[in-house]
Amino acid sequence: QSVLTQPPSASGTPGQRLTISCSGSSSNIGRNTVNWYQQLPGTAPKLLIYSNNQRPSGVPDRFSGSKSGTSASLAISGLQSEDEADYYCAVWDDSLNGYVFGTGTKVTVL
Amino acid sequence: QLQLQESGPGLVKPSETLSLTCTVSGDSISSSNYYWGWIRQPPGKGLEWIGNIFYSGSTYYNPSLKSRVTISVDTSKNQFSLQLSPVTAADTAVYYCAMSGYYSPYAMDVWGQGTTVTVSS
Repeated sequence: QSVLTQPPSASGTPGQRLTISCSGSSSNIGRNTVNWYQQLPGTAPKLLIYSNNQRPSGVPDRFSGSKSGTSASLAISGLQSEDEADYYCAVWDDSLNGYVFGTGTKVTVL
Repeated sequence: QLQLQESGPGLVKPSETLSLTCTVSGDSISSSNYYWGWIRQPPGKGLEWIGNIFYSGSTYYNPSLKSRVTISVDTSKNQFSLQLSPVTAADTAVYYCAMSGYYSPYAMDVWGQGTTVTVSS
């Protein structure tokens, strides 16, 4: 059972803006920076956002991240069919003294 | 470009030791301030962090697995390894190795393709 809660699923039509939430606590999101990973079907996860809102080289600017208090969000603007994937938030938890992943959100493009 | 490749047995018997190796290519495992780690994903489930080792040898483990896990580095082979013992069916998963530290200490920048490990007699 993860300490980071995400909605199990989210969906949208091509071109829409989609937002995924990640709810944590003062010992994790409240104190440390959040990372987001994208896992396409049958593949290894890929770093999508680091340090709350930074994109690694090669990640389209359609993807953006934000953090407020003990929650974080990932936004996908101009949703595309290739964005269908599982998305995970992750952060260091000072109380657990370990890295924790969110429960994951499956994004479907209708 | 740095690449990671997991290797090891795909089948392990209950109560025995799971041993996996991650081979690093494209850079030296001891050349920079990187963390080398393991993550697993049970069938149909989410990601679980197992632990990291810093290039200096310092280790950080998931508290729920700490009593059964050892992560080590072999600089001569440019590899790092995972040992998990004893295993049960609950340890059946895809195991990924990953590197952190290029963008951020806790962001896993590069991942291996993953290797499936089944625990069964």
